[in-house]
Amino acid sequence: DQQVKQNSPSLSVQEGRISILNCDYTNSMFDYFLWYKKYPAEGPTFLISISSIKDKNEDGRFTVFLNKSAKHLSLHIVPSQPGDSAVYFCAANSGYALNFGKGTSLLVTP
Amino acid sequence: NAGVTQTPKFRILKIGQSMTLQCAQDMNHNYMYWYRQDPGMGLKLIYYSVGAGITDKGEVPNGYNVSRSTTEDFPLRLELAAPSQTSVYFCASRVYQGTEAFFGQGTRLTVV
Repeated sequence: DQQVKQNSPSLSVQEGRISILNCDYTNSMFDYFLWYKKYPAEGPTFLISISSIKDKNEDGRFTVFLNKSAKHLSLHIVPSQPGDSAVYFCAANSGYALNFGKGTSLLVTP
Repeated sequence: NAGVTQTPKFRILKIGQSMTLQCAQDMNHNYMYWYRQDPGMGLKLIYYSVGAGITDKGEVPNGYNVSRSTTEDFPLRLELAAPSQTSVYFCASRVYQGTEAFFGQGTRLTVV
């Protein structure tokens, strides 16, 4: 029973344009959300997070938006760069554990 | 600062063999986790620990065991390896809930 869903397995964006990665969740008890980036043969690395009491958090080119009523969050990358090509995982905190989505593979083309 | 260190990076096991995946962190984090990632799938939680001497099951604990005798180390034991345990295993740690987790580089395990 997937509580964190990333319904787009892949996304292709041109360099310089905006990348929008989406994530939906089912558990209203989630209190903290994170985005991770993963390159092949490496472990996931933390990108940005947002508390459930906020609706936006920004860090440089990365912005995460949270819509609690819709149980939806999104990651915006502006402008997208070829080095952003990776798999992005959405994660949600519930008690002690982090629940992960299946990931979205982002390809940024020159 | 090494962060989270996993050993080995790769391993091939025969069906029925046992092994221990090692995980160590040097950040004095209370919480530690073991996840597995199958192709095209997200990370599934196997076991976690909120401190030395305290462990609990995650989503997919069958076939695995853990121990946490020190804050730094959180080994994962596979008993009687099965092909279904072929996966990439990630160890992670964080200070407490509500903070980001730091991941190791992963152990790619193949059971043949």
